[in-house]
Amino acid sequence: GAVVSQHPSRVICKSGTSVKIECRSLDFQATTMFWYRQFPKKSLMLMATSNEGSKATYEQGVEKDKFLINHASLTLSTLTVTSAHPEDSSFYICSATLPGLATNEQFFGPGTRLTVL
Amino acid sequence: QKEVEQDPGPLSVPEGAIVSLNCTYSNSAFQYFMWYRQYSRKGPELLMYTYSSGNKEDGRFTAQVDKSSKYISLFIRDSQPSDSATYLCAPLAQGAQKLVFGQGTRLTINP
Repeated sequence: GAVVSQHPSRVICKSGTSVKIECRSLDFQATTMFWYRQFPKKSLMLMATSNEGSKATYEQGVEKDKFLINHASLTLSTLTVTSAHPEDSSFYICSATLPGLATNEQFFGPGTRLTVL
Repeated sequence: QKEVEQDPGPLSVPEGAIVSLNCTYSNSAFQYFMWYRQYSRKGPELLMYTYSSGNKEDGRFTAQVDKSSKYISLFIRDSQPSDSATYLCAPLAQGAQKLVFGQGTRLTINP
């Protein structure tokens, strides 16, 4: 149980285009999902916390107009990188918490590798 | 001072060795101490966690927390090449949602 999927697994796009990444909880309903980015050989950096039906909470330094997050249902959150540029190339990972667990344990998706040319 | 400090390595040991991975932290409010394993180009997966101080064993893995010194350890016994991955510590305060990740230690087990 507690499987999180992401789509696509990798995407290459031209500079200036927008890219949408989907994060789904497959066998549970996730009221809270998180979006991270990870640069090569670096740790995960939290970008935003997404609660179903409300606006995402962005971490300091993350541009909310550039990284649009929508959490329209209990099983789906999307991250849209608008007007992507080469510096946005990174590994984007989502996670979801399983309701009812005391630890607020996060289950991670497999990640999406974005390359902006 | 970072909330969580972890030696990024890389750490390379021969198969069968005992591996010790460590983190230090500064926030006294942390109560849960998670260890995640991340294979290359994959998302992290929870390996194990402990609550408050003490030890917890799961097969070849032992997690240890010393809250008095704010020191977290993960020991791997009889290490295998399949253990080669990046290991991230991630403490969590009671009731909190956001994990604070260490930098991650890249571990390679050589056959």
